[in-house]
Amino acid sequence: TQLLEQSPQFLSIQEGENLTVYCNSSSVFSSLQWYRQEPGEGPVLLVTVVTGGEVKKLKRLTFQFGDARKDSSLHITAAQPGDTGLYLCAVNSGGSNYKLTFGKGTLLTVNP
Amino acid sequence: NAGVTQTPKFQVLKTGQSMTLQCAQDMNHNSMYWYRQDPGMGLRLIYYSASEGTTDKGEVPNGYNVSRLNKREFSLRLESAAPSQTSVYFCASRYPGQGPLTNEKLFFGSGTQLSVL
Repeated sequence: TQLLEQSPQFLSIQEGENLTVYCNSSSVFSSLQWYRQEPGEGPVLLVTVVTGGEVKKLKRLTFQFGDARKDSSLHITAAQPGDTGLYLCAVNSGGSNYKLTFGKGTLLTVNP
Repeated sequence: NAGVTQTPKFQVLKTGQSMTLQCAQDMNHNSMYWYRQDPGMGLRLIYYSASEGTTDKGEVPNGYNVSRLNKREFSLRLESAAPSQTSVYFCASRYPGQGPLTNEKLFFGSGTQLSVL
């Protein structure tokens, strides 16, 4: 059973559109992270959310942690081709022995 | 600022050959990790090292060995490569932040694309 379920798996949109991707679990987490991975590169951290209901904004990206701390969403406003990439959510599944477990990701393509 | 450096970037092996993937970080981090990434499977943890001198298995350790040579370097060895080990391999190191839930994150290298024929 996958710890983190991400949806959709693939998303192809036109420049200027809005979109939301999701990360869901049946487990409760103390924090959740979102990473973005561009082709040929390793993932890079975008944000960490730690409080239930928390909303964080990074320019046109809005991240929300669910009230019960079991799920999270990423909303992108007016998507641009530079937003193209694989968006991964991740949680520490090892407790004090820090081990990051990733969802399978949402592959976003923004067409000009 | 080099960060996490992986070598080689590309490698083709024949079934049964062995090789070592090298990883080095210059950020003085204690913890280092090896992941593999396959289409539709996301990133899966192979092995990790919480500190110099310690290593532990992750989710998919079979067919791999690791060595934490010193604080900077963490290598991944395939003793007898199999086609199922065709993948992109990522090394990462962990910045612990100022404590739990504060700024901790992984820094990744740019990966090694391995094909086993």
